[in-house]
Amino acid sequence: AQKVTQAQTEISVVEKEDVTLDCVYETRDTTYYLFWYKQPPSGELVFLIRRNSFDEQNEISGRYSWNFQKSTSSFNFTITASQVVDSAVYFCALSEAVAVRETSGSRLTFGEGTQLTVNP
Amino acid sequence: DSGVTQTPKHLITATGQRVTLRCSPRSGDLSVYWYQQSLDQGLQFLIQYYNGEERAKGNILERFSAQQFPDLHSELNLSSLELGDSALYFCASSVGTIGNQPQHFGDGTRLSIL
Repeated sequence: AQKVTQAQTEISVVEKEDVTLDCVYETRDTTYYLFWYKQPPSGELVFLIRRNSFDEQNEISGRYSWNFQKSTSSFNFTITASQVVDSAVYFCALSEAVAVRETSGSRLTFGEGTQLTVNP
Repeated sequence: DSGVTQTPKHLITATGQRVTLRCSPRSGDLSVYWYQQSLDQGLQFLIQYYNGEERAKGNILERFSAQQFPDLHSELNLSSLELGDSALYFCASSVGTIGNQPQHFGDGTRLSIL
């Protein structure tokens, strides 16, 4: 069975600090997909990034960057120069292919989430 | 705005009752997924439909059922409601059925059982 662990339950930083959110996963699949989602206080889930298991290039998008290391089964997320608007719960998720009879499906397995609070 | 529409936003009902949650996927998406978010269980996958056909099932209770209609909207039916069913229920959609595509989530339906 797949598993995603986000060991940091809560992180509190002061604005402009850099912060890294950790994610460790377990899977038996050789091909898999990892995701990060953001859940702001308003409650919706916002897709941030997808990473394929065969692509270990790190990615940067503005103040966000992601470090995928297959050797340690980790997919960490760094916010540079954090802002108050970054305050949210961040979820790491692993996509699992599911075979049902001759058809296929998929589902996301989520970590427990990390509550990030950025204080002014 | 993800493009996924869920109604209603809030539902308050009593134990033993039955409710229906509705989801309209993003335009062009054929897969619909249902998730439950609660304080004790976190975000849990319930069920997936692709073009009207059930494709994946999680730990969905027998009291819960879902379907996807020809116009691709989906409904999640919850019956014989218990206090523990109080949660935020999310619908998500994606283009296909394979896990490489991101799932885009609606704003959720918050269900409160009194």
